[in-house]
Amino acid sequence: QQPVQSPQAVILREGEDAVINCSSSKALYSVHWYRQKHGEAPVFLMILLKGGEQKGHDKISASFNEKKQQSSLYLTASQLSYSGTYFCGTEILGGTSYGKLTFGQGTILTVHP
Amino acid sequence: EPEVTQTPSHQVTQMGQEVILRCVPISNHLYFYWYRQILGQKVEFLVSFYNNEISEKSEIFDDQFSVERPDGSNFTLKIRSTKLEDSAMYFCASSFRLGTKNIQYFGAGTRLSVL
Repeated sequence: QQPVQSPQAVILREGEDAVINCSSSKALYSVHWYRQKHGEAPVFLMILLKGGEQKGHDKISASFNEKKQQSSLYLTASQLSYSGTYFCGTEILGGTSYGKLTFGQGTILTVHP
Repeated sequence: EPEVTQTPSHQVTQMGQEVILRCVPISNHLYFYWYRQILGQKVEFLVSFYNNEISEKSEIFDDQFSVERPDGSNFTLKIRSTKLEDSAMYFCASSFRLGTKNIQYFGAGTRLSVL
């Protein structure tokens, strides 16, 4: 079953913050975050493993709450380049070790000047 | 920086024809994947490939689909008899599992249009 992302879309002005959530009904081994711009490949942002990690990448960070099977992606002081569709991809705990990712439906982020 | 390369970028075919989509994964990667994305929808897993065999496949990956690693560098997806609903963007991904982390890098995709 696919993870559920919220919100479906976010519109920001440059410099504003946003949070994108990803929830799963299954126990997760890891959560992967990707950003995809129109017509391009998904670009890897970060991976979080079970254990409640929180990671940061410039002004983009993420957390993983394994009790809730939920991950959140935090974008602070947004820039125009942050615009795109954000997908979370999940690996199920107890699944194969071959890394199949199940993606959420995506969150469209639009940053205006 | 190493990247996953896919060719062609756009393939147009007639319904019922066979197509082969090609991918060159990152050279030291051991795990290979095909995903597809129908226009405006989420990315869907098709198949994973490791140690020269399919390790997992989805229900989408029926007998019309096959994958092959014909040499040490290429990884192909063949669709034997294309249907209209096969029209989608097909992404190849590869990864090198480092400990517990399996980071997948995606190619730019092949847009398949079935007429």
